[in-house]
Amino acid sequence: KNEVEQSPQNLTAQEGEFITINCSYSVGISALHWLQQHPGGGIVSLFMLSSGKKKHGRLIATINIQEKHSSLHITASHPRDSAVYICAVGYNNNDMRFGAGTRLTVKP
Amino acid sequence: NAGVTQTPKFRILKIGQSMTLQCTQDMNHNYMYWYRQDPGMGLKLIYYSVGAGITDKGEVPNGYNVSRSTTEDFPLRLELAAPSQTSVYFCASSYRQPDNSPLHFGNGTRLTVT
Repeated sequence: KNEVEQSPQNLTAQEGEFITINCSYSVGISALHWLQQHPGGGIVSLFMLSSGKKKHGRLIATINIQEKHSSLHITASHPRDSAVYICAVGYNNNDMRFGAGTRLTVKP
Repeated sequence: NAGVTQTPKFRILKIGQSMTLQCTQDMNHNYMYWYRQDPGMGLKLIYYSVGAGITDKGEVPNGYNVSRSTTEDFPLRLELAAPSQTSVYFCASSYRQPDNSPLHFGNGTRLTVT
């Protein structure tokens, strides 16, 4: 039905760098989620957005509905940001499709 | 506030055995979900429920069953375990449909079938 593509698959950065993770999807959606999966396996919701931009601390999420694209930015990255970041798209029902995730490693 | 609690954290099953993965949430969410996560793949929906007494199949329901007798509990049953069911299982809940509400996840259950 819909493919959710994330890039890059893996990303290594030095502490303090600005990081961008991208997510593209192929059909219209109702909402897009960004999730963080900790090294221990737990998953937490970072953002849910259907238009524009949201900011929480050093994290910024943007979405361009026309281009079917979203980005997650991390400013002033820190080793504790090391995790897998997952993009998921939702439709007007209970269906959601998930990207395979971007593994981020931030080195001190 | 415990959120979504899954048990057990780890389990090893032999082929043909059965087991129940438990999931409980204390947020009074109507919507609950079971996902599986395989290496290199996105999470896939197994079953979901929109309220007590109502369940429906997701993308990959074969080999699993669920029930929802209360708002809080949404157990996932594996009958006749197969190696293809080796995976990490996540239970999640939300206040409204996932296109309109954040998801809250449990910590996962790592299941190995040998």
